[in-house]
Amino acid sequence: KAGVTQTPRYLIKTRGQQVTLSCSPISGHRSVSWYQQTPGQGLQFLFEYFSETQRNKGNFPGRFSGRQFSNSRSEMNVSTLELGDSALYLCASSLAQGGSYTEAFFGQGTRLTVV
Amino acid sequence: DQQVKQNSPSLSVQEGRISILNCDYTNSMFDYFLWYKKYPAEGPTFLISISSIKDKNEDGRFTVFLNKSAKHLSLHIVPSQPGDSAVYFCAASDSGAGSYQLTFGKGTKLSVIP
Repeated sequence: KAGVTQTPRYLIKTRGQQVTLSCSPISGHRSVSWYQQTPGQGLQFLFEYFSETQRNKGNFPGRFSGRQFSNSRSEMNVSTLELGDSALYLCASSLAQGGSYTEAFFGQGTRLTVV
Repeated sequence: DQQVKQNSPSLSVQEGRISILNCDYTNSMFDYFLWYKKYPAEGPTFLISISSIKDKNEDGRFTVFLNKSAKHLSLHIVPSQPGDSAVYFCAASDSGAGSYQLTFGKGTKLSVIP
């Protein structure tokens, strides 16, 4: 069974540009969450999607947005990039069955560098 | 405010001995807890989890203990192996919140010395 796939693995962008990251969850998983990891702040929750609906959003500015498609694949977008957006962006998928919590499995991440 | 705290940034243990990683939380609504292992530039790998209705869960060399009254959990690795050297993250979830958001601690770097 394939794991969570994130593309691209590495990205270099210039301040002011926008970027789109992609995540393909494990087959059958309906919940996709995004996290930002930085050395100072650790792993911070960005947002979670379930059946194409955003269920929860972390404390990030509106420049960070996402969406989920009918096949559960998800994208996140960051507009007007700032130097502080340089981070490892991680996607996690969960089976999300029956209302009870199920473990989240992470992809390898996308390393975004803003210059 | 940090709702999940891992107060030890690093831990060194001899190969074959027990590694104990600790985690404290402040949000009493958390009812599901997980441990992840992470290598640099890779995504976290799920290790073991525990529901708040249990106080212990074992999986091979890994055991997680939960003390709800103290809002404390710990991960025991026995015996420790050099391949266990990595950063370990404790995470918590409030399943009643209608979302699968995980709140993470800042991690503990475990070094297992051969």
